[in-house]
Amino acid sequence: NAGVTQTPKFRVLKTGQSMTLLCAQDMNHEYMYWYRQDPGMGLRLIHYSVGEGTTAKGEVPDGYNVSRLKKQNFLLGLESAAPSQTSVYFCASSYISSVNTEAFFGQGTRLTVV
Amino acid sequence: KQEVTQIPAALSVPEGENLVLNCSFTDSAIYNLQWFRQDPGKGLTSLLLIQSSQREQTSGRLNASLDKSSGRSTLYIAASQPGDSATYLCAVSPGKLSFGAGTTVTVRA
Repeated sequence: NAGVTQTPKFRVLKTGQSMTLLCAQDMNHEYMYWYRQDPGMGLRLIHYSVGEGTTAKGEVPDGYNVSRLKKQNFLLGLESAAPSQTSVYFCASSYISSVNTEAFFGQGTRLTVV
Repeated sequence: KQEVTQIPAALSVPEGENLVLNCSFTDSAIYNLQWFRQDPGKGLTSLLLIQSSQREQTSGRLNASLDKSSGRSTLYIAASQPGDSATYLCAVSPGKLSFGAGTTVTVRA
């Protein structure tokens, strides 16, 4: 059982370059999320999705775009990377339920923008 | 907007001592509260999930309590070990999780 898988695990970008981070989950979860984690800032929500074909903005959406074309995949795109986007990015997924909202996280993608 | 606070930010204890980690939240209309562990450079591992209708949840040496009315949860780790050294985060739902900044625990051998 793979759970939540993120690719790539590490990446170095030059300012202005673009890239896509892929998140895949095999638990048939409706909810998927992208967070960034920075020292002293904790985990901040970038975008999330409540189901296939839907996306919504979180706390810090500027400079990022997302797509959820398939239920199991959630893509995070950076169109023109900036040094401020240097961070560790985490993907997570969970069920939609008032009873069980246990979230599962991927291992993270460490992105450096130079 | 839900605000989640964890105090203390860091904690250092000798091996064998019990750990008490606190989490508070501003909006009591939560579905669940979840405690995570994060090791340096790693992802988040789910430790315990407390449903809003529950008062506590136990797993091995871990016990988490929830008081919705006062907006508080406490994670107890009994008989701490050096392997318990990590950052512990709490998060509340519904829907998108709101996280605290975490408590970094060091257990000294």
